[in-house]
Amino acid sequence: DAKTTQPPSMDCAEGRAANLPCNHSTISGNEYVYWYRQIHSQGPQYIIHGLKNNETNEMASLIITEDRKSSTLILPHATLRDTAVYYCIVRSPNFGNEKLTFGTGTRLTIIP
Amino acid sequence: DAGVIQSPRHEVTEMGQEVTLRCKPISGHDYLFWYRQTMMRGLELLIYFNNNVPIDDSGMPEDRFSAKMPNASFSTLKIQPSEPRDSAVYFCASSRDSIYNEQFFGPGTRLTVL
Repeated sequence: DAKTTQPPSMDCAEGRAANLPCNHSTISGNEYVYWYRQIHSQGPQYIIHGLKNNETNEMASLIITEDRKSSTLILPHATLRDTAVYYCIVRSPNFGNEKLTFGTGTRLTIIP
Repeated sequence: DAGVIQSPRHEVTEMGQEVTLRCKPISGHDYLFWYRQTMMRGLELLIYFNNNVPIDDSGMPEDRFSAKMPNASFSTLKIQPSEPRDSAVYFCASSRDSIYNEQFFGPGTRLTVL
C-alpha cells in the first residue's frame, strides 16, 4: 500500500472550515484513500473514504486531486469536538489486504 | 447495536502475570482486528481474523502474545508472561467486509504492567 505524508499539526478557528491535506504520490490505480480520526483516549473513528471522485457524508468531504497524488479532508464547520488526530491511509481493497497502517497523522486543534 | 465491546477497560498487573483481554465484535461483522497503541510506536496492528480464522499475525510482537477467536462473537488477546514494555492501550475493531473495510473500534483496554 502507498505511503502517506501529513503535516504533524494544524490549528483551525471554531466555526471555520478545517482543511487537512494528505500526500500519497505513489498511490496506485485501485487504492482507496481512507480517513480516520482519534479523539483523545478513544478508539479511532472512521470518517470517509474515496477512490477518485469527491465524496461527502454527514461528517466531512473528501477532495481527491485528478492525478490522485494528494487529497484534502474538509470539516466544513469545525467545532471543539473535532479536536483530534486525523489519519490518512491508503489501501487497495483486495481480499487478504484488510490491514490498515496508521501513520503519525495530523493533530488538529480547534481554537475557540 | 452496542458497538465493539472490550473488557476490562483498565488492567494493572505485575510483571510475569498472565493478562487476558476480551473483545466482542459488532454482530454480523466478519473481520476482527487487534491493535496496540503506545506513544513510541503509535497505533499498530497485531493480528486480524476473518470468519474466526487468523489472516495476518505478522504484527504479534513475540511468542508471549497469542490471540484466539473461538466464535464469531468473541475474541481474546493473551499475554503470558507480561512485561512492563507491554504497557499500552489495546484496541479491538471489527468490520463487515473486505472491500470497503470500514473498521469500528472499541474503547480500548489500558494495560499497565508494573
